[in-house]
This record gives sequence, C-alpha cells and structure tokens, in this order.
Amino acid sequence: GENVEQHPSTLSVQEGDSAVIKCTYSDSASNYFPWYKQELGKGPQLIIDIRSNVGEKKDQRIAVTLNKTAKHFSLHITETQPEDSAVYFCAAARGYQKVTFGTGTKLQVIP
Amino acid sequence: NAGVTQTPKFQVLKTGQSMTLQCAQDMNHNSMYWYRQDPGMGLRLIYYSASEGTTDKGEVPNGYNVSRLNKREFSLRLESAAPSQTSVYFCASIDLGQGPYGYTFGSGTRLTVV
Repeated sequence: GENVEQHPSTLSVQEGDSAVIKCTYSDSASNYFPWYKQELGKGPQLIIDIRSNVGEKKDQRIAVTLNKTAKHFSLHITETQPEDSAVYFCAAARGYQKVTFGTGTKLQVIP
Repeated sequence: NAGVTQTPKFQVLKTGQSMTLQCAQDMNHNSMYWYRQDPGMGLRLIYYSASEGTTDKGEVPNGYNVSRLNKREFSLRLESAAPSQTSVYFCASIDLGQGPYGYTFGSGTRLTVV
C-alpha cells in the first residue's frame, strides 16, 4: 500500500516568515495529493489539493508543488500569521478515495 | 448544513465493554470513512463505505465492525474494547460527483479504554 512520510514533525516560525512542509510518497500510481489543516479539538479541513498532472497550485498565501519523478510534494505558506498555527497533514491517493495521510506537522507561528 | 456529525464526543470504556460510534452526514455524499488518529501516527483508515450497501476494510480494521445504515449514516462498533483502541476517531465523507474532492470530517470522538 501507499506510505506517506512527512517532515518536519514540528515547525516554529516568526510571524511574517514562510513555512515549508515536505512529504514523500511511495506509490507511483498515486495521482491526488490533498493537504489538511487541523485546529485544536477539530477535525481536519481541506486547505488545498493538487492532481498529478499539475506541478504547482496556488491559493493566496498557500502553494503546493509536486515532483512526480522524485515522488515529493510540498506545502508553502508565505507571510505566516498566528491563525496559521495548527497541525498540517499531507496525503496521497489513487483517485480520491482511501487517502493515506502523513504523520502531521505542528506549525507554531510566533507573534 | 451541519456537515458530518459524530456522537458521542467523549467516551470512557472499560476493557471488554462494547460501544457504537455514530456518524451522520447531510450533504448527500456517497462515500463515508472511519479514521483513527494517534499521536505521531497521523490518521489511519479503519473501514470505509464507497456507496450505500458496501463496506471495505482499511489499514487497521481488526477489532472493529461497521454498518452503513443508509446513505446518511455510517456507524463504527467496538465489540470488546481494548486499551490499544484508545484514540480519537474521525468520520469523514466525500462527494465523488462534482467535487470538491476533499474529505469533510466530523469533529471527532475521543475514546479512552481503561
């Protein structure tokens, strides 16, 4: 089955700086890569996703990049704000079902 | 819309007791999922139901059973709880029709088995 590795497990940045979270996947047939944000006491919420036919996708301060050859994908958050503090999960799947999640990154944005 | 509703939010069980975690969605989604979340291990798929009337095992199904009662409801049952089943359980659903294709999660059930 699919195996998704995520780094780092914790990340602290100053407000206004950028944050980068990196993931690798094992199944070359995976073609859907969503990212979720989980705030304390809540369920994860989809923040951005990318398909394997796209190398990069942006949504305001958030961007994801995908390198299919290396089986790497990354989340970039620019101009970080205190409300960005949360746990972020990357994930991978063939199609959209049976998503396999990474182990999560706890991001702390220091005001 | 309420989205995905899970009950109960918290539960403490003694080893060997049984219980059912309830999940209901009001978005007319076809597919529903049960995940467990443990520290340092992310979310792991227990069971899923691709459509009403079907269920399949995920990565960690041992010790659990599920029922897709109708299109809205998908329950998870622990027949004989064990301390290793202490976890936070999330139900999720997805619409594979028009999208968006990300999961909608419930707020979770925090289960402690003593």
